[in-house]
Amino acid sequence: QKEVEQDPGPLSVPEGAIVSLNCTYSNSAFQYFMWYRQYSRKGPELLMYTYSSGNKEDGRFTAQVDKSSKYISLFIRDSQPSDSATYLCAMSGGAGSYQLTFGKGTKLSVIP
Amino acid sequence: GAVVSQHPSWVICKSGTSVKIECRSLDFQATTMFWYRQFPKQSLMLMATSNEGSKATYEQGVEKDKFLINHASLTLSTLTVTSAHPEDSSFYICSASGFANTGELFFGEGSRLTVL
Repeated sequence: QKEVEQDPGPLSVPEGAIVSLNCTYSNSAFQYFMWYRQYSRKGPELLMYTYSSGNKEDGRFTAQVDKSSKYISLFIRDSQPSDSATYLCAMSGGAGSYQLTFGKGTKLSVIP
Repeated sequence: GAVVSQHPSWVICKSGTSVKIECRSLDFQATTMFWYRQFPKQSLMLMATSNEGSKATYEQGVEKDKFLINHASLTLSTLTVTSAHPEDSSFYICSASGFANTGELFFGEGSRLTVL
């Protein structure tokens, strides 16, 4: 079993839809959870950053972490064509641990 | 957020030559930088971790003599692909962190290497 599982998609939604992206993981030592957005042929861009369990909201984006279920989610409200990209979940362990473990990424297309 | 600059963004070279890719943290001091490789439709694979002033730590399966990493200052790390071959063609991305114990990283724009 891979440490981080993420459905690669592709996922196509109409403009304005609510998008739900998810990852599951197996390593209970992970404490820091991130979502990155990566446009084609570009480096990843940090979208959301969460420590431990709970919700975090930033504009149209909401990140949720459920450590008991080892499940994280990213919700995008009122999706826009400019949201079309690959979304990577990433996570890291405890103190001093910078190394991220990435999901494979989910490719999202928002259709106008 | 913090800015990480990577150069060049695109490079084409002949087989057997060496290519150097630079990664700079522009507005913060990066004590640790990471180098990744990404194949099409794949996630990022960590190649090595470099700490300023010390030797890089390579992931299993990554040839340290082929992928030379130097982190001579708190704002610059370089990756040199030596004696490049077509199978080295890939998208190379660096990331940097100046923030202790959080795992928060900022990525460069990536460098696409094509070896002919």
